[in-house]
Amino acid sequence: GESVGLHLPTLSVQEGDNSIINCAYSNSASDYFIWYKQESGKGPQFIIDIRSNMDKRQGQRVTVLLNKTVKHLSLQIAATQPGDSAVYFCAESPGGYQKVTFGTGTKLQVIP
Amino acid sequence: GAVVSQHPSWVICKSGTSVKIECRSLDFQATTMFWYRQFPKQSLMLMATSNEGSKATYEQGVEKDKFLINHASLTLSTLTVTSAHPEDSSFYICSAISGPGETQYFGPGTRLLVL
Repeated sequence: GESVGLHLPTLSVQEGDNSIINCAYSNSASDYFIWYKQESGKGPQFIIDIRSNMDKRQGQRVTVLLNKTVKHLSLQIAATQPGDSAVYFCAESPGGYQKVTFGTGTKLQVIP
Repeated sequence: GAVVSQHPSWVICKSGTSVKIECRSLDFQATTMFWYRQFPKQSLMLMATSNEGSKATYEQGVEKDKFLINHASLTLSTLTVTSAHPEDSSFYICSAISGPGETQYFGPGTRLLVL
């Protein structure tokens, strides 16, 4: 059932600044890592992914960094905009996108 | 990207009734669909994996008789919450992939409230 009192970690960023959202993953056998954006009341939206044989991948205004040594994943958003306000989830998969395990999520608040 | 739809987007029902939620891939054939459950301010928890024409694979702790999944075609999977109770109230989200190695696309979710 629902856990009373649980809250998401929140990152507040000024509009125009860069945002960095961090995630620790647990399965060293994971081969794919994905970042999703979820706006209130909607399903997750794919942002960017990275395979375990890479340590950096760039998209439009977003960069994902992977550090397998410490099992850490980060999402960098350049020039953060109000439309970036959402909850961001990292997710991991053993491969082939067959089964994706979601992390706890971080709420990004962009201050105009 | 590919589009996945869900119907209904929200539903309110009385305790003890059954509710069916549909998940459709609109512009691609989905070999595999996934059903997730999400409580407020929490992450998505995988409930089951559904392959077209075969029985769903449920995650540990998910009651298969409670949450009936049918993947009757390559574009449609349904989740039926049987004898719903207030604790089943949640946000149910489906996703679909067209094949191994393909991106997983998510539906918009269905909010269920059981009174």
